[in-house]
Amino acid sequence: GAVVSQHPSRVICKSGTSVKIECRSLDFQATTMFWYRQFPKQSLMLMATSNEGSKATYEQGVEKDKFLINHASLTLSTLTVTSAHPEDSSFYICSALAWREGLETQYFGPGTRLLVL
Amino acid sequence: DQQVKQNSPSLSVQEGRISILNCDYTNSMFDYFLWYKKYPAEGPTFLISISSIKDKNEDGRFTVFLNKSAKHLSLHIVPSQPGDSAVYFCAASDNYGQNFVFGPGTRLSVLP
Repeated sequence: GAVVSQHPSRVICKSGTSVKIECRSLDFQATTMFWYRQFPKQSLMLMATSNEGSKATYEQGVEKDKFLINHASLTLSTLTVTSAHPEDSSFYICSALAWREGLETQYFGPGTRLLVL
Repeated sequence: DQQVKQNSPSLSVQEGRISILNCDYTNSMFDYFLWYKKYPAEGPTFLISISSIKDKNEDGRFTVFLNKSAKHLSLHIVPSQPGDSAVYFCAASDNYGQNFVFGPGTRLSVLP
């Protein structure tokens, strides 16, 4: 089955620094990847849709200059949290679109837990 | 290798009947399981969860059953309603709520 990885799995950084999170599709190519942030009560908020070779599409209320997304290849999308602040501390999950038995399916990464001190 | 499997990519059920969505996992270290519901163009929404110390958890029309020996859980929706039509993701974690592993999802269609 399709596998999506994220790196790092956990990161602690100081306020004001930038953090890059990688999302890779390991055994398939994904032209579309999604970035989510987990909020209380376990729901995932869609932050942006990342399309290979073009600019990401951000959801309303998500600052594109703060959360930089680059989808440089068919297997890699990166999310950079710039000038991180404690309120950015969260669990970030990516997913990648693939076809499964004729249906478009999302495969999720394992998530990255960010703690900003 | 996928640690969380949802072998049915899609399921169709008549309105008013029971919907049963299945999920299997391979990692015996998982101790917390969640079901999410996802509509198009939205993020997955938390639906119901169960910890490994229980074998059943109910919330209204939704019940999750856990069979640890079989490493299997299922989500029952009864009665099913057209608004339940969505993609349902099963997720598992160890360390009680951290490091989620998602299944690939099952697309449920509830027919009026």
